Amino acid sequence: DAGITQSPRYKITETGRQVTLMCHQTWSHSYMFWYRQDLGHGLRLIYYSAAADITDKGEVPDGYVVSRSKTENFPLTLESATRSQTSVYFCASREGWMQPQHFGDGTRLSIL
Amino acid sequence: SQELEQSPQSLIVQEGKNLTINCTSSKTLYGLYWYKQKYGEGLIFLMMLQKGGEEKSHEKITAKLDEKKQQSSLHITASQPSHAGIYLCGADLTNAGKSTFGDGTTLTVKP
Repeated sequence: DAGITQSPRYKITETGRQVTLMCHQTWSHSYMFWYRQDLGHGLRLIYYSAAADITDKGEVPDGYVVSRSKTENFPLTLESATRSQTSVYFCASREGWMQPQHFGDGTRLSIL
Repeated sequence: SQELEQSPQSLIVQEGKNLTINCTSSKTLYGLYWYKQKYGEGLIFLMMLQKGGEEKSHEKITAKLDEKKQQSSLHITASQPSHAGIYLCGADLTNAGKSTFGDGTTLTVKP
């Protein structure tokens, strides 16, 4: 099916563990984004990518790592999870500048 | 985001009433996007505005971008329970490829 998919939808893990959130889009969009959404903070950009092998930090990149070896995939890794990283994470993609972003359904991550 | 301010933060209306949500930028808006989010779900793209004075409609929802391209309004006519959710505006404030988002307006429609 065409679109943007995130996995897993829900994840519970413990502090100190490494966890990877997956994002896959079928449109061949150039841009991909990772956001976290928390009450009182709205959507905050973690990292984004303009193309394969090009990534840039967003507003809140500390504690996160991204890679983009293929245009369609943009995984987000928490190298050593902390409780403050408990959040809902959204992946999005867009074809180009001045085009809308299209969002995945989100991953609800709880870190105990 | 302080670059993009949404108002009001929340809104409770009786079914059938009209309402307006505003999105104001401190910079020129190159592209302005409206999204709707239901609790626990992703953001659904509603409309995009690019030109000053532009107006677009989607069912009973109308969005406008003012002439100076620094403010947009979203107007819902004859609100229904199905309109309930969080409305977010997003904007391209630079040509860096990323967008800035407002903090959202939570809309409750009472039957």
